[in-house]
This record gives sequence, C-alpha cells and structure tokens, in this order.
Amino acid sequence: QVQVVQSGAEVKKPGSSVKVSCKASGGTFSNYAISWVRQAPGQGLEWMGEIIRILDTTNYAQKFQGRVTITADESTNTAYMELSSLRSEDTAVYYCSSGGLKDAFDIWGQGTMVTVSS
Amino acid sequence: DIQMTQSPSSLSASVGDRVTITCRASQGISNYLAWFQQKPGKAPKSLIYAASNLQSGVPSKFSGSGSGTDFTLTISSLQPEDFATYYCQQYNSYPITFGGGTRVEIK
Repeated sequence: QVQVVQSGAEVKKPGSSVKVSCKASGGTFSNYAISWVRQAPGQGLEWMGEIIRILDTTNYAQKFQGRVTITADESTNTAYMELSSLRSEDTAVYYCSSGGLKDAFDIWGQGTMVTVSS
Repeated sequence: DIQMTQSPSSLSASVGDRVTITCRASQGISNYLAWFQQKPGKAPKSLIYAASNLQSGVPSKFSGSGSGTDFTLTISSLQPEDFATYYCQQYNSYPITFGGGTRVEIK
C-alpha cells in the first residue's frame, strides 16, 4: 500500500525560504495531481496549489502566487513545495496530498511543521 | 472564490447517535465535493469523494449526499473513534476551498 512520507520539521527565520518534500513509498502516486495544503495552529485547512504530474504544470492559490513553487521528480516519486519570504503567519503544518482540481484527494502525508521565528 | 459553509461548527453527540453535517457552496460545484476527518495532531483522512463515494477502507457508517450547492455527511451510529473534526472541500474550481470544519465532541 502506498504511503506518503514528508520531510521533518523546520525552524526558519523571517525572510528565508523553506522546502518541504513528499515521497510516495511502496508504490507511486496514483492521482494525476499532487496538492499542498497548510493548517495554521488551531485553524482550518488552506489549499496552496497543485502540480499536474503528467503535464508538469502548476496552479497556485492567488494568496501564494510569487512565493510558492511546487515541483515533482517522477523518477523518485517525490514532490516538493518551496515557500519563500517567510513571515510569522506562515507558521503552520504543511501537508501534501494526492489529488487536485477535479481529481479527488486520496492519500495524505503526515505533515511537516514549519515554524517561522526570529 | 467558492465559499464553503459548514454547519454546525460544533456538536455534542453520544455513542450510537446518528449525526448529520451540512455543507453549502456559494455557487454550484456539481458533485466535486469531498469530506475529510481529522483527529488532533494527525493528518486529514479522506472519507468521501464525488459527494457520495466512499474512499477505499472507509466504513459504510459514513455516507454522503447532495449535488450542486447543498451536501450532507451522515454518520449512522457514532462510535468513540469518530469523535474528530470534519471538513468538506470543493475541488470543482480554483482555488480549491475547504469548509471551516465541524467538531464532533462527546456528550
């Protein structure tokens, strides 16, 4: 059974960048898209963007346009999310999930805590 | 952006109760509606997709219905492991959006 494993927790300074990885093990991502979703402490779920694997194209929420980059390496079944110009409001748990627009979300990673603090 | 409004935002129920959560979209989304369960400190778990289809391995006590703008998630007989927060999500148009969540607590 496919499991999705994300990279470990990060502590970053304001203004820096973070790159989180998301690897499928025991198989490959079955969906055509992979999305990134974040959850600030005590808050709900917020979609950041997706990569459509077979086309290698991305779609981002306007809120994150210009600051987020989602990539994927099909040879290693790994997706990445990089967020730049970090601020304290970016402190959150970041999740990857198979799925995207009109592509039902299925398997989720365990989440990666990113803390932005000076 | 499509706004997803869940109600109630929280509820208290007893083991064995039938529970219904509603989700309303600010515009039509056909059946591109999913439901997720999240327990404290854990990742969301996919329960239902396309409004009424159970994800593999999800018990049949969960059911979903609706189309267009109004949707429901029903848990037929609440068990201790079902106490969690439930989110709806539309994946019909960008940006993909989630409801605010419904916290199901023990009465």
